[in-house]
Amino acid sequence: DTEVTQTPKHLVMGMTNKKSLKCEQHMGHRAMYWYKQKAKKPPELMFVYSYEKLSINESVPSRFSPECPNSSLLNLHLHALQPEDSALYLCASSQGRASGRTDTQYFGPGTRLTVL
Amino acid sequence: DAKTTQPPSMDCAEGRAANLPCNHSTISGNEYVYWYRQIHSQGPQYIIHGLKNNETNEMASLIITEDRKSSTLILPHATLRDTAVYYCIVRGRLYGQNFVFGPGTRLSVLP
Repeated sequence: DTEVTQTPKHLVMGMTNKKSLKCEQHMGHRAMYWYKQKAKKPPELMFVYSYEKLSINESVPSRFSPECPNSSLLNLHLHALQPEDSALYLCASSQGRASGRTDTQYFGPGTRLTVL
Repeated sequence: DAKTTQPPSMDCAEGRAANLPCNHSTISGNEYVYWYRQIHSQGPQYIIHGLKNNETNEMASLIITEDRKSSTLILPHATLRDTAVYYCIVRGRLYGQNFVFGPGTRLSVLP
């Protein structure tokens, strides 16, 4: 099973709202990732968590706040977003540091976010 | 920046083999070639990866040239459901080396 689930599938929010995106995997993976994908562009890495600790932040604005409450869950908290933040937000997971082989990432279906 | 170059688009007739090329002339010895595809508005789907030997799985075959500077993903019998953007990514095997997606190749399988 290589399934990563994301909720919600679609989200519309105003610039003053606070919302959260959720990602879950039950593959025992210890690395989890958030990517952002604008229309007709490739995915771009935002954050990497390894063993529930933030290991990479690709200079993402503070209005995006990631959280990894346990090894299976990854959240992305959103606050005071701008219309240009509208995009597909993708979560991925991989075995992480413990993998003795190549660390293949498996992606969820994404959350389509629209900021009005 | 992505370490690969791919043609922006390709067409393939349904039932025929789709051969998607990728150039990675600066690949280093410990870097793998990964292929993912993304069907419209879905998450990227892992297809296959390899180091220097040719690889085959239930989805595709990966042919890597002997000098490792280029590779070809082969979908042996393309169907309409294979229409997608295909990404070729070069990445080291060690944890912490992340995927950098290039623009990919938009494959259209035509009836």
